Amino acid sequence: EPEVTQTPSHQVTQMGQEVILRCVPISNHLYFYWYRQILGQKVEFLVSFYNNEISEKSEIFDDQFSVERPDGSNFTLKIRSTKLEDSAMYFCASSEALFLGKPYEQYFGPGTRLTVT
Amino acid sequence: EDKVVQSPLSLVVHEGDTVTLNCSYEVTNFRSLLWYKQEKKAPTFLFMLTSSGIEKKSGRLSSILDKKELSSILNITATQTGDSAIYLCILTGGGNKLTFGTGTQLKVEL
Repeated sequence: EPEVTQTPSHQVTQMGQEVILRCVPISNHLYFYWYRQILGQKVEFLVSFYNNEISEKSEIFDDQFSVERPDGSNFTLKIRSTKLEDSAMYFCASSEALFLGKPYEQYFGPGTRLTVT
Repeated sequence: EDKVVQSPLSLVVHEGDTVTLNCSYEVTNFRSLLWYKQEKKAPTFLFMLTSSGIEKKSGRLSSILDKKELSSILNITATQTGDSAIYLCILTGGGNKLTFGTGTQLKVEL
């Protein structure tokens, strides 16, 4: 069964460093998403991406964050200068398509645990 | 702003019990309501509900949506220890983002 994969599974970085979290969505999917879950809190939407551009982003997704699809398979989340409060589990998800009036199912990757020290 | 509230926040039951998890929502443009199960890793899909009053079933799990009451329930019968997880209610509203509830943490004891 196809699945979303993410690397690394756990990353530890120092405050102020840049990190890149990598995701490989399911191959025929067109929409890609990043979510984060701070320990003990609920999952929060960060950004959605379609047709090589951001289609929607939340207030959390400020200038420190960026996303990219550098090739046909990877989807990355970059945090330019990490802060302690960026420590969280980051989930990537993908879905087939978004049709007007037709709901869709998102498939989640296993997550990357980011620890900022 | 779209909002999803789940209750209870946590629940401890014994194997064999039946549990009902609740989800209520506020949304400007409802598209669907999703139930996911989250164990140690990523959430895994359980149900997608779009129409009111139609029960979806998968084994011991079932769910139904009530658009009039803006709510949904997830039932688990004959619970097993493997059902222990966080159950997430997720709303898809306008646009293509998901709004997550806080989840209900279910623990099933022997």
